[in-house]
Amino acid sequence: GAVVSQHPSRVICKSGTSVKIECRSLDFQATTMFWYRQFPKKSLMLMATSNEGSKATYEQGVEKDKFLINHASLTLSTLTVTSAHPEDSSFYICSASPWVNGASNEQFFGPGTRLTVL
Amino acid sequence: SQQGEEDPQALSIQEGENATMNCSYKTSINNLQWYRQNSGRGLVHLILIRSNEREKHSGRLRVTLDTSKKSSSLLITASRAADTASYFCATDAGANSKLTFGKGITLSVRP
Repeated sequence: GAVVSQHPSRVICKSGTSVKIECRSLDFQATTMFWYRQFPKKSLMLMATSNEGSKATYEQGVEKDKFLINHASLTLSTLTVTSAHPEDSSFYICSASPWVNGASNEQFFGPGTRLTVL
Repeated sequence: SQQGEEDPQALSIQEGENATMNCSYKTSINNLQWYRQNSGRGLVHLILIRSNEREKHSGRLRVTLDTSKKSSSLLITASRAADTASYFCATDAGANSKLTFGKGITLSVRP
C-alpha cells in the first residue's frame, strides 16, 4: 500500500529557532501534499496544500512566512516552522495524494511529528 | 460549526459489542472517508464512500451514506480492544481537493 513517512517523529527545540519537518511518499508520486496541525484531543486542521513545483496554498489564518512549505519533488514536501514559539508546539501531520485521474481523493497520512518548543 | 461533525464524541462499549458512530456534514461532497487514529499516531484510512454510493463494507466495517440527510455512519461489528482509538470522518468536494475533518469520536472498547 501507499506509505508516507515523516521525519523527525519528535523534535524539541528552543524558542526562536527554526525546525524543518520532512514528508515523503515512499512508493508513489504525490502531486499534492497536505500539512495539518492537531492539538491534543482535537481534530486535524488543514494548514496548507502543497503542489509540486508551485507555491503552497495556505488556509486562512496560517502565516505563510512562519510556516514555510517547499514541495521540490513528487515525493518530498517540507514544512519549516520559523522562529518557533511555545504556542507552535503541536502535532504536525502530512498527507499525500497520488494522482489517479480524479477517480478518488484518498489521502495517505504520515505518522506525524510532535514538536515541542521550550 | 465545522463540516463533518461526529456523534457521539465519546463511546465506551464492551468487547464483542457493535459500535456505531455518526457523522454529519453541511455542504455537498464528492467523497466521505473514515479514518482511525491511535493516540499520538498518524491517521489510518479505513474506508472511502463516494457520493453516489449508499453503503460499503470492509471486513468488520460497514459505512452508510445518506446524501439527502448529509450524514454517514460507521459501524464496527464484534468490536475488539484493539479498536480503541479516535475515529474521524472527512469530506472532500472533488479530486485533489482538501479534506475537511470532523471533531472525532473517541472509542473505548473494554476487554
